[in-house]
Amino acid sequence: GAVVSQHPSWVICKSGTSVKIECRSLDFQATTMFWYRQFPKQSLMLMATSNEGSKATYEQGVEKDKFLINHASLTLSTLTVTSAHPEDSSFYICSASTGTSGATDTQYFGPGTRLTVL
Amino acid sequence: GQQLNQSPQSMFIQEGEDVSMNCTSSSIFNTWLWYKQDPGEGPVLLIALYKAGELTSNGRLTAQFGITRKDSFLNISASIPSDVGIYFCAGRTNQAGTALIFGKGTTLSVSS
Repeated sequence: GAVVSQHPSWVICKSGTSVKIECRSLDFQATTMFWYRQFPKQSLMLMATSNEGSKATYEQGVEKDKFLINHASLTLSTLTVTSAHPEDSSFYICSASTGTSGATDTQYFGPGTRLTVL
Repeated sequence: GQQLNQSPQSMFIQEGEDVSMNCTSSSIFNTWLWYKQDPGEGPVLLIALYKAGELTSNGRLTAQFGITRKDSFLNISASIPSDVGIYFCAGRTNQAGTALIFGKGTTLSVSS
């Protein structure tokens, strides 16, 4: 299947600093990428939908100025957590859509990034 | 909004047993996907379903897209210890490139 990578796999930062997480589709082009947040023992919560070359669409309740998303190419999307605080500590996962026509679109997930804000 | 009900929430079974879990939605879906997530990792796609009534297998896993387009099930036969993890169903109502709606997951524990 298609491969999606994330970097870094884990990061620890001080409160007030910014952290950038990269999501790459390694063997396919992804017109659309998605960013999720997952708390322990819970399901994935969609944060935003990222389309190459356009502004991301954020879900209700997600601060776009805090979680900056840039989808500069068909294989790379980045999520920057600005002025991170301890409550931003979480597991962040991206997915990339194969974007095939019709109903056969499939989403493949990255391995996730564990963010800990001290 | 759209909701997915996934059940059971957790299962504790013996190695060798068969397992079944299912998801129902309040809306008609045109895609159902089943993922498995291990601790500290991202979800891995197990089976993708694109047509109502479709029955698809992947090794010991079998999943079906319900004929009403509002449900799907996943069966695991002859479970083994490495089947342990959280299984998520996910569905999509619209066209390609739109976000998935996830179930809350089924945590599977297998004792040998």
